Amino acid sequence: GEDVEQSLFLSVREGDSSVINCTYTDSSSTYLYWYKQEPGAGLQLLTYIFSNMDMKQDQRLTVLLNKKDKHLSLRIADTQTGDSAIYFCAESMNRDDKIIFGKGTRLHILP
Amino acid sequence: EPEVTQTPSHQVTQMGQEVILRCVPISNHLYFYWYRQILGQKVEFLVSFYNNEISEKSEIFDDQFSVERPDGSNFTLKIRSTKLEDSAMYFCASNGAWGSNTEAFFGQGTRLTVV
Repeated sequence: GEDVEQSLFLSVREGDSSVINCTYTDSSSTYLYWYKQEPGAGLQLLTYIFSNMDMKQDQRLTVLLNKKDKHLSLRIADTQTGDSAIYFCAESMNRDDKIIFGKGTRLHILP
Repeated sequence: EPEVTQTPSHQVTQMGQEVILRCVPISNHLYFYWYRQILGQKVEFLVSFYNNEISEKSEIFDDQFSVERPDGSNFTLKIRSTKLEDSAMYFCASNGAWGSNTEAFFGQGTRLTVV
């Protein structure tokens, strides 16, 4: 079945780049997402990428997709304390289909 | 900016009681969803709803769950007889029409605690 895997924790020093990795199993996934969840808050869509793209950049965020290996990564440049959150990798077949989420990576920022 | 609104933000209920979680999706959206997140676990799909009927549901969405869009504005999730394991954060989401180039917007969630 569909599955999305990601590491559970990442610690990064403030000002460094954070790279959160994710793998997924469903090769028919068309949309791949990164959601951010701050403590006690809802799910905020950070960015998404179509499966026919290799890379997408949006200000400090860079998403890389290796479709052959079914590997997705999110790079946050110049990580700030406000980036401390749980980051969920997710995928769906179409934009209005159900979204399959990973377990989330908790990003901890070191001073 | 348009947003999905969920009420209440926190609900405590006794085991065996019925609860109704409420959501107001974004007004011109046509697809509606419920997800849940048990503490410390992944966000799981429960059900999707389109054109006044369920379009897909997961194994979690058994007979104790039901959804309704009673008045064209609200979208509700009812749990008939709550169990301890229903304690979770429940997220509502909505999405636009096919081809409308939108993504799913999520509400802030309702934390359900069954005691």
